[in-house]
This record gives sequence, structure tokens and C-alpha cells, in this order.
Amino acid sequence: NAGVTQTPKFQVLKTGQSMTLQCAQDMNHNSMYWYRQDPGMGLRLIYYSASEGTTDKGEVPNGYNVSRLNKREFSLRLESAAPSQTSVYFCASSLRTGNSPLHFGNGTRLTVT
Amino acid sequence: DQQVKQNSPSLSVQEGRISILNCDYTNSMFDYFLWYKKYPAEGPTFLISISSIKDKNEDGRFTVFLNKSAKHLSLHIVPSQPGDSAVYFCAPTNFGNEKLTFGTGTRLTIIP
Repeated sequence: NAGVTQTPKFQVLKTGQSMTLQCAQDMNHNSMYWYRQDPGMGLRLIYYSASEGTTDKGEVPNGYNVSRLNKREFSLRLESAAPSQTSVYFCASSLRTGNSPLHFGNGTRLTVT
Repeated sequence: DQQVKQNSPSLSVQEGRISILNCDYTNSMFDYFLWYKKYPAEGPTFLISISSIKDKNEDGRFTVFLNKSAKHLSLHIVPSQPGDSAVYFCAPTNFGNEKLTFGTGTRLTIIP
């Protein structure tokens, strides 16, 4: 009963380095999301995917790319990391029927120095 | 332009008493409202929701109240228990719109 699995849990990058955050869900959900959480800011949507092969920008997409590899997996890529991207990143999924609740992973804590 | 505000960053309540968490929004198009709860080092989990056709929704110890004219909702927890210590986010949206707008969160601490 894994739900939404994110890897890695922690990552430290130097400015300019690239990395991909991985996310997989085993609930057969249609929609997947990437959020970032910063102190005093709540959770902000980076990118969203309503179904395999489709992606859509959220509130804060600059500096990120995403890939919906299949129904299960949705990855987030930082091509050239910046200190402003230091944050906790959460992946989520939902059934996409009405307003079915989002199911979140446990997050990836990223520090960019 | 923050559409959703939770003006109390933190709240401490004695065990057994009522906890009241507040959320204000500016977008009058919001018609569906969710609350999420988050423990440290975990992702948020869905707690309770309410549609704009109602002004109250209850689930066990948790009740959400909606005042559409004031663009205000509140979450009541009665009685409060130590396991309720967490950060609570409100997330208003439009029914069918999955792009949730989260508030800044309120950290609730229940004092034994």
C-alpha cells in the first residue's frame, strides 16, 4: 500500500547542477501534480498533468520541466538549479473525478548552495 | 496577490478544548473548500471538505463552517487531542478544478 512514492528524500545541489525528482503512484490515478512548499508561502503548484501525455503549468513553473512518463510516473527536472529553488517538493495524485482529494508523497527536501 | 490567507501562523490549545482555525479568501468564484493536515516529514493528507451549497459539514470531531458572504471558512476540532498537533492548510477551489490554491497554513499545537 505504497500510495505516492518520491525519490530522493533529500538532495543537496550546487548552483547550476541539474537533477530529476522522481514520483510514482500505484493508485491508478489519472492526475498528478508537483508542488513546492516554502516557509510562509503554503504549497504552490509547479506543474500538473491531467493524464498521460499532457502537462500544464501551475503557479510557479519557471526553472522546471516535467515529464509524464506513463500513468504511474511524473518527474520534475531542474536543468540549472538556483538557490531560489531550495524548497520541499511534494508530488501528489488524484482520481480526477469532481474534486477527489489529492494524495501526497512525503516530499523531497532540496537544498541548492 | 494571495487569494487565500490563514492569518494565524500558529495556535496553541489545551487538550480537550476546542480548536478553531480560520481561512479567508478573496476569489468569489471559489465554490469548493478543502482542509488538509500535515505532520512533520510527511505530505499533507485530506481532512474534510465543504461545498458552497452548504454552510456546515461535520465529520466526527471535525466541523467546517463556510460564510460565503464574508469569504471566510473555519475548521473546528472538538475535543482537541494531542494527535491533532500538525499544520493545517485550507485549499479553496472551483468544483472540477484540480489546481488547488493552498493557504499559508496554521501550526496547531495541542497542550496535554
